[in-house]
Amino acid sequence: SQQGEEDPQALSIQEGENATMNCSYKTSINNLQWYRQNSGRGLVHLILIRSNEREKHSGRLRVTLDTSKKSSSLLITASRAADTASYFCASGGSRLTFGEGTQLTVNP
Amino acid sequence: GAGVSQSPRYKVAKRGQDVALRCDPISGHVSLFWYQQALGQGPEFLTYFQNEAQLDKSGLPSDRFFAERPEGSVSTLKIQRTQQEDSAVYLCASTHKREFGNQPQHFGDGTRLSIL
Repeated sequence: SQQGEEDPQALSIQEGENATMNCSYKTSINNLQWYRQNSGRGLVHLILIRSNEREKHSGRLRVTLDTSKKSSSLLITASRAADTASYFCASGGSRLTFGEGTQLTVNP
Repeated sequence: GAGVSQSPRYKVAKRGQDVALRCDPISGHVSLFWYQQALGQGPEFLTYFQNEAQLDKSGLPSDRFFAERPEGSVSTLKIQRTQQEDSAVYLCASTHKREFGNQPQHFGDGTRLSIL
């Protein structure tokens, strides 16, 4: 069963706009990870945020974590057509539990 | 170096047949994971190995599913007497350390299994 829920389920934007995806989880975490999955491919790790961190940046990615609300958000700034993919949050150690994902479409 | 490699990329089988899916992790990676991903869903954990030891198989959906990693490198996921509900993408991932709590997992591109 999925621990997390992501919203929106699908998001369509124009190139250059920002994209924000949200993730909620149910149990306590040590860290939360975000992955990207292009159609027909495996998952690629994007960023990991620890439970004692509130915000983390990596290039055009910004992740926030609110452990009191058991939620996280992923912001992609200045989106590109190549950012079109599904994005998943995941938590856990040996056993990653994934959300259901947000399908992002960036239109050129 | 090479990433996680899975074969075959696509597998079509008739209901009731047995199938075997192979995963070659990144060389030297200690931990290996199998996930099942249904269409439009996130991956769901199946099982985990540390070297050749299967430390967690709690996600395997039935006793028709069996995984092994006899020499601590290549792993095989076997599904016996396949059912239509087994149709999914099977993903393999690996990490290079035992303490994986803060380690990203490196995924292969998966095997898409279709049961007719």
